[in-house]
Amino acid sequence: GAGVSQSPSNKVTEKGKDVELRCDPISGHTALYWYRQSLGQGLEFLIYFQGNSAPDKSGLPSDRFSAERTGGSVSTLTIQRTQQEDSAVYLCASSHPQGGGPDTQYFGPGTRLTVL
Amino acid sequence: AQSVAQPEDQVNVAEGNPLTVKCTYSVSGNPYLFWYVQYPNRGLQFLLKYITGDNLVKGSYGFEAEFNKSQTSFHLKKPSALVSDSALYFCAVRRKGGATNKLIFGTGTLLAVQP
Repeated sequence: GAGVSQSPSNKVTEKGKDVELRCDPISGHTALYWYRQSLGQGLEFLIYFQGNSAPDKSGLPSDRFSAERTGGSVSTLTIQRTQQEDSAVYLCASSHPQGGGPDTQYFGPGTRLTVL
Repeated sequence: AQSVAQPEDQVNVAEGNPLTVKCTYSVSGNPYLFWYVQYPNRGLQFLLKYITGDNLVKGSYGFEAEFNKSQTSFHLKKPSALVSDSALYFCAVRRKGGATNKLIFGTGTLLAVQP
């Protein structure tokens, strides 16, 4: 079946502008994650949605970052008043709870954000 | 706090030789451990995970990893490297019984396999 998709694949914006990044998870996956991949810093957890539970926002770096997940499917990550340090690849992943062990997270191709 | 260390930024190996990509972790309690691979301009692909039981875990593309609790390590191995294995490899950890499923990733190791 289709994997996780993200749009746009690339986004160039000017400092101070707002951006929205979209993630379409694998159909039926109840869990959705956002990570950020910066050069030399590996992957950094941002936020996690599981079903109707309150999201885990513990990884969001500032209040300029927010995310929502509508209808338990598509998610949008919004960055307000972008800064140059926000430049990174933003990765979305989804998973489905499995009994007896951790979910396997399946990643999308990412959105490369460049803030000029 | 949970953390993952991948001490090598890059590993170079000749095609046909065995390869090892190192990973050590720090977590309170017992861990779940993962390896992901990222090919150029592509998303992360799941390779394998350790849950419990047998310390040697076999995964995709002929890769395997050995969980060593005493050394808190989860090194990735392959008996015979292929040029097509050249990619960026990430180790990740999650604490068993943790409140969320978020993964803590290492900084990645670039594997370069020379023909």
